[in-house]
Amino acid sequence: ELKVEQNPLFLSMQEGKNYTIYCNYSTTSDRLYWYRQDPGKSLESLFVLLSNGAVKQEGRLMASLDTKARLSTLHITAAVHDLSATYFCAVGTIYKYIFGTGTRLKVLA
Amino acid sequence: SAVISQKPSRDICQRGTSLTIQCQVDSQVTMMFWYRQQPGQSLTLIATANQGSEATYESGFVIDKFPISRPNLTFSTLTVSNMSPEDSSIYLCSAVGGPNTKSSYNEQFFGPGTRLTVL
Repeated sequence: ELKVEQNPLFLSMQEGKNYTIYCNYSTTSDRLYWYRQDPGKSLESLFVLLSNGAVKQEGRLMASLDTKARLSTLHITAAVHDLSATYFCAVGTIYKYIFGTGTRLKVLA
Repeated sequence: SAVISQKPSRDICQRGTSLTIQCQVDSQVTMMFWYRQQPGQSLTLIATANQGSEATYESGFVIDKFPISRPNLTFSTLTVSNMSPEDSSIYLCSAVGGPNTKSSYNEQFFGPGTRLTVL
């Protein structure tokens, strides 16, 4: 059974700092997705990583995928308050996602 | 890009009753899915809504409790039957693919969710 774990579960960080969220999964997958969810809102797609070594960047967020290690990272550079949200990774095929536990990020001014 | 809407956005229901949630996509999509997200938790796939046939349910979810319909390529419903307080959750619809979707066939995109409270 595919399991997807994220850490940390909660992250409180100061504006301007850098940090990384980790997503580990238990069985082989060549696709990984990152989503953002604001409180009371739906999920917004951030990144789709489709192959080993894939790296994508958007603004202060950069995601990477290592399929051999079964690990994806979401790196936050120079955090700003607007990045406060819950971040989920999801693994699997396009027809069946298994979501990670989520990382609740709070960026303090 | 395609947009998903859900109705109702929220509801408060009594134990033992049923609620039907509607999911409408503004263009044709290949696949539609229903998820449950309990407060402060991750998302769990309930089922894949198949157009013109019975939904495919994940382990722990059954048709009698969560009947699903998908009469066409843009619409699906999820019914939460004989509700109990444990059914209090956010229910989200998602979809994949279709010529007018931003994501094409690479990712699922999600509706705004229905927040259900069962008393």
